[in-house]
Amino acid sequence: QSALTQPASVSGSPGQSITISCTGTSSDVGDYNFVSWYQHYPGKAPQLKIYDVSNRPSGVSNRFSGSKSGNTASLTISGLQAEDEADYYCSSYTSSSTLGVFGGGTKLTVL
Amino acid sequence: EVQLVESGGGLVQPGGSLRLSCTASGFTFSSNAMSWVRQAPGKGLEWVSAISGTGIGTFYADSVKGRFTISRDNSKNTLYLQMNSLRAEDTAIYYCAKDLRARVVLDYWGQGTLVTVSS
Repeated sequence: QSALTQPASVSGSPGQSITISCTGTSSDVGDYNFVSWYQHYPGKAPQLKIYDVSNRPSGVSNRFSGSKSGNTASLTISGLQAEDEADYYCSSYTSSSTLGVFGGGTKLTVL
Repeated sequence: EVQLVESGGGLVQPGGSLRLSCTASGFTFSSNAMSWVRQAPGKGLEWVSAISGTGIGTFYADSVKGRFTISRDNSKNTLYLQMNSLRAEDTAIYYCAKDLRARVVLDYWGQGTLVTVSS
């Protein structure tokens, strides 16, 4: 099972919006709405930001939003803040013999 | 408050074995699937294994299949990962995580335990 494809890095200035893409296949992202996004600060536990493509867990800012088209999911962060600087990972349920797959991760830099 | 606390990490020689534990609290453990996810130094997150709430269903990444075994003791609210035939590439921080949907939707994570495979 190959990892989902994410850009290695993205950047934006405070107040701007950025979008991170996550490309899979018809066996994972394309066929299921179980796409999640996680924020990860080094040395800390990852935090779920988006689940089921576009749902936010309680307590997560509405500056975080998710969407999907075909085999590609996207995470958009609007009104960028310094605290958003972190690594972001997508994941998906998969119909392969395994169960889940992560993207390679995207480092977000707030300029 | 949901809490997940991993333990059991450490230094082990190639070919050796290690058993990780994850003690859960703050939710009905037996009602939730659980996963192990790891992060090797300088690398991204990698899903390793998952188990259903009853413990009947188990799933593994191809990279660990046949070497790792996931299990749980619902009477002790504890998740386990038995790791055998360890390789240098298994060196990583191992996280346990609670699954919201039994579809690798991980809503709570532990702080992780470090496993180092080296001679």
